[in-house]
Amino acid sequence: EADIYQTPRYLVIGTGKKITLECSQTMGHDKMYWYQQDPGMELHLIHYSYGVNSTEKGDLSSESTVSRIRTEHFPLTLESARPSHTSQYLCASSEPRGQGANVLTFGAGSRLTVL
Amino acid sequence: KNQVEQSPQSLIILEGKNCTLQCNYTVSPFSNLRWYKQDTGRGPVSLTIMTFSENTKSNGRYTATLDADTKQSSLHITASQLSDSASYICVVSDRGSTLGRLYFGRGTQLTVWP
Repeated sequence: EADIYQTPRYLVIGTGKKITLECSQTMGHDKMYWYQQDPGMELHLIHYSYGVNSTEKGDLSSESTVSRIRTEHFPLTLESARPSHTSQYLCASSEPRGQGANVLTFGAGSRLTVL
Repeated sequence: KNQVEQSPQSLIILEGKNCTLQCNYTVSPFSNLRWYKQDTGRGPVSLTIMTFSENTKSNGRYTATLDADTKQSSLHITASQLSDSASYICVVSDRGSTLGRLYFGRGTQLTVWP
């Protein structure tokens, strides 16, 4: 059962628009992540957070920004969308189970298309 | 360079048959290896996780093996079902940071035909 929710599931917008992808989890996890995934390619980490008021950039350079004001909420914002931002965005959260486990629970994803 | 390579890239099998998916990695130092199942249009779901000292772990019809010496893992699916059609992703975690950095493979796309 999904304990991490992403909205919208699908979004088609025009170039230059500002968008926010929402991510909420009900598990009380401290760590949250945003990944970008293109068809047939591996997931790339774009942002992560250790907890409230903590945000870090990931491995893949991204023009998006994130915020973590509440434990359960980790929204991702694009100030001015471009066609190159077209992708699947996956939110995840984790809480360590044993040393270094960090098992991720993923949301269903947000499929963004920028025209 | 830390990498995770999966093979085959895609696989088609008939319902009821068994199959084995491969994962080779060069990640070092090694912490754990996970297999995820990702249905089309959905997020990945964890199937198994194995640490250095574990060489096999089962989850229903899914059995994962790990050879930490050769840095290879396999995921064996027994008596496949139509619902097994999905992408199977191998993910390796290192011990190099507090975050336990994750390295993702590109996945094997499995299609099960009736």
